[in-house]
Amino acid sequence: DTEVTQTPKHLVMGMTNKKSLKCEQHMGHRAMYWYKQKAKKPPELMFVYSYEKLSINESVPSRFSPECPNSSLLNLHLHALQPEDSALYLCASSQHPSGRTYEQYFGPGTRLTVT
Amino acid sequence: SQQGEEDPQALSIQEGENATMNCSYKTSINNLQWYRQNSGRGLVHLILIRSNEREKHSGRLRVTLDTSKKSSSLLITASRAADTASYFCATALPTGFQKLVFGTGTRLLVSP
Repeated sequence: DTEVTQTPKHLVMGMTNKKSLKCEQHMGHRAMYWYKQKAKKPPELMFVYSYEKLSINESVPSRFSPECPNSSLLNLHLHALQPEDSALYLCASSQHPSGRTYEQYFGPGTRLTVT
Repeated sequence: SQQGEEDPQALSIQEGENATMNCSYKTSINNLQWYRQNSGRGLVHLILIRSNEREKHSGRLRVTLDTSKKSSSLLITASRAADTASYFCATALPTGFQKLVFGTGTRLLVSP
């Protein structure tokens, strides 16, 4: 199984709402990622989890809160977002031996609209 | 910014023609990867070329890497309408961190 799944596919939320994005993989990968992608732009890295621990935070505002409950799951908790946070949020996973960077497997994304 | 630049930004060709897109980057790398993204969907990994490799093939794809010029190219031969997508190069730093920096992308349109 080389699939990364993400739920929901679409999400519309108000600026005062709290919501969560979910990501799951069963490839035994120990590195998982959140990216944000605006229209016609490349993905921008937000967070990296290695062995269920946060290893990279690309100076993301605290209204985005990642969580990795176990090696297969990755969540992104959203609170008090702004309209400019509307974007496609992509989850990815990869193998994680040290000293190499492997290809990443991406989920289909969650299209988030903040009203 | 570490972000790579890709050119052209957009490319429109007919089925059967070859498509070439180029990527330039700024720092030393461990490897360079190419991804495809269909409209509004997740990215699909196409090919990975390591810093000590100069050329790599996979099916109709040919990737070259010139580390002295900090550049790479992706050639798609005998293109098909199904190849219509955005193509991104992504560079991995040599430090072993699990971080990719994506280029600006090339939007390819293949017309029947």
